[in-house]
Amino acid sequence: KAGVTQTPRYLIKTRGQQVTLSCSPISGHRSVSWYQQTPGQGLQFLFEYFSETQRNKGNFPGRFSGRQFSNSRSEMNVSTLELGDSALYLCASSREGHSYEQYFGPGTRLTVT
Amino acid sequence: AQRVTQPEKLLSVFKGAPVELKCNYSYSGSPELFWYVQYSRQRLQLLLRHISRESIKGFTADLNKGETSFHLKKPFAQEEDSAMYYCALKGGDQAGTALIFGKGTTLSVSS
Repeated sequence: KAGVTQTPRYLIKTRGQQVTLSCSPISGHRSVSWYQQTPGQGLQFLFEYFSETQRNKGNFPGRFSGRQFSNSRSEMNVSTLELGDSALYLCASSREGHSYEQYFGPGTRLTVT
Repeated sequence: AQRVTQPEKLLSVFKGAPVELKCNYSYSGSPELFWYVQYSRQRLQLLLRHISRESIKGFTADLNKGETSFHLKKPFAQEEDSAMYYCALKGGDQAGTALIFGKGTTLSVSS
């Protein structure tokens, strides 16, 4: 099976802009989670989607949002970008009933200037 | 508050030496804990979970609720064990999983 894919792999944006990141889960996986990884804060949970519904949400401002489509692909959006949003954004998918075993993608490296 | 603490950023050992990667957690309730690993140029992946109580690649981890710890151990380290190790706690609702990660420990095994 193909692994989790994320596009784009690298992005450079300017403060105030918005950005959309995409994630395609492993075939058959209906749960998709998003994490932000920074040197200072480490890996932090953003949100989880299952069957097009947000199931869990981390402690991030409303500028961070996401959605999931009927084919389980997911997107996350960050509006009004700030310098502190520069990070590696990781997407992970899991099988129903096995949400503890998350399969991670390679990440999207976002740089905000 | 739910929190995972890995006190060591870097652990350097020689091949054949015992390894213990420390993890402490804060959680009200019955915790579910995991170790994830990231080898060089590879993706983050699940190594083991405390419920399964199994040994993976020679690693074991025991949940100690009294000390709120979930340390990862291996009796004889190998060079291929060199990687970044993350301890994680299951948050979120019953059906889903919102993993709460520690900041990770880099294990370096040299010959």
